[in-house]
Order: sequence, then structure tokens, then C-alpha cells
Amino acid sequence: DGGITQSPKYLFRKEGQNVTLSCEQNLNHDAMYWYRQDPGQGLRLIYYSQIVNDFQKGDIAEGYSVSREKKESFPLTVTSAQKNPTAFYLCALGTGANVLTFGAGSRLTVL
Amino acid sequence: DAKTTQPNSMESNEEEPVHLPCNHSTISGTDYIHWYRQLPSQGPEYVIHGLTSNVNNRMASLAIAEDRKSSTLILHRATLRDAAVYYCILAAPRGFNAGGTSYGKLTFGQGTILTVHP
Repeated sequence: DGGITQSPKYLFRKEGQNVTLSCEQNLNHDAMYWYRQDPGQGLRLIYYSQIVNDFQKGDIAEGYSVSREKKESFPLTVTSAQKNPTAFYLCALGTGANVLTFGAGSRLTVL
Repeated sequence: DAKTTQPNSMESNEEEPVHLPCNHSTISGTDYIHWYRQLPSQGPEYVIHGLTSNVNNRMASLAIAEDRKSSTLILHRATLRDAAVYYCILAAPRGFNAGGTSYGKLTFGQGTILTVHP
């Protein structure tokens, strides 16, 4: 995945639990993004961060939280407030040419 | 955000060229045209992007109409590994400056499902 690692690949959660998805990179890029993908649908932007200690809400931020304490890491927490969290979650890095490099994804299933 | 329109699905035979169309009639003068593709259960993969001139790389070619209201992704010889969902995206070079560099956000639609027959 070109230096971007997402974990875990599969995750199961009980209703009412918070879970945190990891996204780590060693390519020294500033911009990082979290997208959500539902079956048969395109990607929707949850949060993005363009610099350490700063992040912005995307189109569907409700029920999610992020942090960006260091350049290499941009974890996403799916909180109990997210009503329909079962989805495929994708982390991406952005380059200066607006090109995104995606991780392999994390598939979250709520039991 | 400017929108793109793509056919829901297309089919091709192996080793034949494939032309994937995209309409973007409300494109602004600074929007770049990006193409990504996504294989099942994987993250999207960057294919190509351009602004005004046609572009070629090892994966594909991008033909952009003179008025920029449409573009076509060209796979010169389709292989079975090219079967994927292809997304045409407009990327505005906006976003707040971070160290003097601006990054855009990409909005993904539903894309075109390309089926390649042996």
C-alpha cells in the first residue's frame, strides 16, 4: 500500500461500543483523509487533516472523531453515536498534486 | 461541488480498447479531472489526472474535450485485471494552506463498473 497501513483489516463491534481504526504512514505527507464506503456506493469523506494538530469535518462527520497528534498517524474513532457504522473504511494520503494514495481498508461490522 | 456523470456499467473484451466516458458540464476553470479505479474489497487506486491537455501514462490515457465539459479514460488493451469500478472526479485545488501547499478534497460518485470478458 505504498507506506500507508490500516489496521485492523476486519473488526466486529457490539452496539454501543466505541472502536478505533488505525491509519499509519511513513511517506512524510501532510494531508490525510478518512472515507467511508457502503456496499455498491462511492466513497464519502468523514474527516481530513492537512497538518499536525488540525483536522476538519468532511461530509459525514457525525458519530466519528479523529486526532492528529503526529504526522504519521491519523486514527478514526467510530463512536456509539454513529447509528449505522457497518461499512468499509478507507484512509488516504494526499500529495501536492491532489492525488490520493489509499490504504487497504478496514471493514467494520456491528453485531 | 461540480458533479460528474458516468454510465453505471460498461463491458469490454480482453485485449480490446476501452473508452470510459465522463461528463462534467459544470466544471470550473481550475478543476482537475482525476480518474481512480477500485477492485473489489480494496482501496481505490489512482489512474491518471489532467487539466486541459490530453495525458498519457503507463496505465491509461486521458482525453479531455476542448471545452472541458467531458473527458474519456482510454485503456488501450483491456485485461482481466482491469475489471474494476472506475471513478471520474473533479478536484478543486482548494483547502486551507498548510506550509504553503493547498490540497483539495475528492468527492467520489458511484463510478462505472467495467466488466472485461475473456
